[in-house]
Amino acid sequence: NAGVMQNPRHLVRRRGQEARLRCSPMKGHSHVYWYRQLPEEGLKFMVYLQKENIIDESGMPKERFSAEFPKEGPSILRIQQVVRGDSAAYFCASSRWTEQYFGPGTRLTVT
Amino acid sequence: RKEVEQDPGPFNVPEGATVAFNCTYSNSASQSFFWYRQDCRKEPKLLMSVYSSGNEDGRFTAQLNRASQYISLLIRDSKLSDSATYLCVVGVRGSSNTGKLIFGQGTTLQVKP
Repeated sequence: NAGVMQNPRHLVRRRGQEARLRCSPMKGHSHVYWYRQLPEEGLKFMVYLQKENIIDESGMPKERFSAEFPKEGPSILRIQQVVRGDSAAYFCASSRWTEQYFGPGTRLTVT
Repeated sequence: RKEVEQDPGPFNVPEGATVAFNCTYSNSASQSFFWYRQDCRKEPKLLMSVYSSGNEDGRFTAQLNRASQYISLLIRDSKLSDSATYLCVVGVRGSSNTGKLIFGQGTTLQVKP
């Protein structure tokens, strides 16, 4: 049973470009969560999705960030017009019930 | 005040030592409790869920005190491979059965030979 998969593992973008991060949950898991870890900080919740629905986006920045989990395919976290402050590790987690399992993360570097 | 507070350490202990980590949380609506470990800022790995009755998994014992909003983790007979950052994590349930996780800053453990 494959774990949570994320790609790309590393992403470099110039300021003003768009970043698309993908997450495939574990088989049988219908809940997907995105977290961000800034350098030297702890993990912070961003958004919680189920298929075709955003359940809780209380941790998402108001602008430039969006997330989706379509009926088919992976969940996507999209960051438009990236800035240096977006440089971080972005982790996706999935769950069937309460326990969340994390993917290897995407390390975004904005130059 | 942070929602989940941990002593950041570092805790430097010799192999074979017993070490205890503590954590407090502020949201009385918290529904689920966990310890994760994180190695070198890789993905957090679930160590164990924590229940009011306490639970044990080999050398690891976790306790939850809901009245005091306090969570603990005890590691017995420390191994070199236990060196990592231990994250105290609280789950806040929304309208559905599951919800977001709130992470503590982590406690760093370094086990020395």
